[in-house]
Amino acid sequence: ETGVTQTPRHLVMGMTNKKSLKCEQHLGHNAMYWYKQSAKKPLELMFVYNFKEQTENNSVPSRFSPECPNSSHLFLHLHTLQPEDSALYLCASSQDYRREQYFGPGTRLTVT
Amino acid sequence: EDQVTQSPEALRLQEGESSSLNCSYTVSGLRGLFWYRQDPGKGPEFLFTLYSAGEEKEKERLKATLTKKESFLHITAPKPEDSATYLCAVQAGTGANNLFFGTGTRLTVIP
Repeated sequence: ETGVTQTPRHLVMGMTNKKSLKCEQHLGHNAMYWYKQSAKKPLELMFVYNFKEQTENNSVPSRFSPECPNSSHLFLHLHTLQPEDSALYLCASSQDYRREQYFGPGTRLTVT
Repeated sequence: EDQVTQSPEALRLQEGESSSLNCSYTVSGLRGLFWYRQDPGKGPEFLFTLYSAGEEKEKERLKATLTKKESFLHITAPKPEDSATYLCAVQAGTGANNLFFGTGTRLTVIP
């Protein structure tokens, strides 16, 4: 595997379900990010981890819970989501904050 | 307020018809400007980083330029495979929270 991988690629869940998104980067980067991408809106930064430590949480609802067990893996735990949470969730990594980010293919999430 | 605006929202070109995409920004303390390409159903793919006014970067048919207020992505003699959404992002300040994305320009190149 190369670059940034994400699983699953597609996810349909009910509002009462609990699921997790997984991201893995094979680039030796130190920073990892979760973004939400909705139609006609700019990418929304959700969480940032630097050397496994969470450094940013942009007022994200508590129904989204990130986890970073090591510098190569990032998870986004989901529970009791709302239909408006349906979107493309992107994971990215970079060498540090000031450098370009490399994105995974995303998980298309649909909340029913 | 830090802001990034991309125009046009959508652009249709005939194959071989050169044009430019615009990214204008109002941020305090530009640290870098990034261009990405995003294909449908995929994550953004990094193209260029520009750090200071006057800087230019080129890759195949693409050339990115930067001034103090805006950046242009020039596409010379585009091909259908250049069809994608092009995103601009601006790094302002030192924190990871200070990266602002535009909404993108959706480019369609017609054979």
